[in-house]
Amino acid sequence: AQSVTQPDIHITVSEGASLELRCNYSYGATPYLFWYVQSPGQGLQLLLKYFSGDTLVQGIKGFEAEFKRSQSSFNLRKPSVHWSDAAEYFCAVGSSYNTDKLIFGTGTRLQVFP
Amino acid sequence: EAGVTQSPTHLIKTRGQQATLRCSPISGHTSVYWYQQALGLGLQFLLWYDEGEERNRGNFPPRFSGRQFPNYSSELNVNALELEDSALYLCASSLIFAGNTYNEQFFGPGTRLTVL
Repeated sequence: AQSVTQPDIHITVSEGASLELRCNYSYGATPYLFWYVQSPGQGLQLLLKYFSGDTLVQGIKGFEAEFKRSQSSFNLRKPSVHWSDAAEYFCAVGSSYNTDKLIFGTGTRLQVFP
Repeated sequence: EAGVTQSPTHLIKTRGQQATLRCSPISGHTSVYWYQQALGLGLQFLLWYDEGEERNRGNFPPRFSGRQFPNYSSELNVNALELEDSALYLCASSLIFAGNTYNEQFFGPGTRLTVL
């Protein structure tokens, strides 16, 4: 069965520090992987996605993620965090067939200290 | 271009009542998805509608139902409300291209349902 694990429920970093949010997935076929961000009271905004090709994916707001098939991981990174990055981050896996449901991780809440 | 819109923003009901949540997809999108985001449970897939038909359903009881209208907007109905139905309900839309292996989903801001 498809599943997504985000092992860190809550992460706190200082502004300007680097960030890595972990995501592990379980999926039998080639996964389509996503990172979404949810600010308080907002819906989900897509940060980046991986379908195929280059395993290092660039997204919006300076985020990037690296797909590592051998580790079943798709970790999100940012070299320097801004206070406005404080939000909840969700990793998700999609079907390799025609669009269907997304399977989400439970999310990682990011807190940024000045 | 307007994004996915949902109404109402907040909804307060009591146990046993029915709730109706509405979603308008991005113009031109034919698929609508519903997700439940309950505290501590993350986002769970509820329903997928495309071209007016229910295409897939998540692991939810039958009292969760919905429909899609000819203009592709959608309603989610929750009957016999229970306390644990309190959650943020998110709607997403996408446009299905024949032959595409994946079609991106765009999310609305959600409806916060509180059951007292």
